[in-house]
Amino acid sequence: AQSVAQPEDQVNVAEGNPLTVKCTYSVSGNPYLFWYVQYPNRGLQFLLKYITGDNLVKGSYGFEAEFNKSQTSFHLKKPSALVSDSALYFCAVRDLTLNTPLVFGKGTRLSVIA
Amino acid sequence: ETGVTQTPRHLVMGMTNKKSLKCEQHLGHNAMYWYKQSAKKPLELMFVYNFKEQTENNSVPSRFSPECPNSSHLFLHLHTLQPEDSALYLCASSPGRGGDREQYFGPGTRLTVT
Repeated sequence: AQSVAQPEDQVNVAEGNPLTVKCTYSVSGNPYLFWYVQYPNRGLQFLLKYITGDNLVKGSYGFEAEFNKSQTSFHLKKPSALVSDSALYFCAVRDLTLNTPLVFGKGTRLSVIA
Repeated sequence: ETGVTQTPRHLVMGMTNKKSLKCEQHLGHNAMYWYKQSAKKPLELMFVYNFKEQTENNSVPSRFSPECPNSSHLFLHLHTLQPEDSALYLCASSPGRGGDREQYFGPGTRLTVT
């Protein structure tokens, strides 16, 4: 069965510093990996995805993520955090080989402090 | 966010009431989803419809009854709910059920069962 782990419930970072939100996954076949962000009282918004090709994926709002097959990780990164980046971030995976539904992690709350 | 709309945004209902949640997507997508979001838990996939046909029912109790009259509309009928059903219910859509396409989410309905 596929699964996603986001080991940190909360990440705090100072404005202007780099940020990392961690995600590891488990699938039987090849993964499709996604990051979503949720602002208060809003639905989830798509940030970026890894399907195939370059391991470094660039997405919306200056975010990027690196696919690491050997470590089964897909960490979300941004070189310089903004206060407006404060939100709940979800990692999700789909098993391409089994064509399973998307499975989400429990989310990581990011707080960027001015 | 105007691509997927949900009504009502907030709902308080007693355990003996019957109510319905509505979702509408204006994106021309063929697949629609219901998710349950509870605090500090991963998003729980409830139902998936593809071209109006239900393709996933994730062991959801029968007190939740979905309806998909066409590819643009999705309903979740609620009856005799329990307090533990209180959560944010999110609707999403995507061009197809599987593959590498991301899902687009509505803002959710915050449900409180008293």
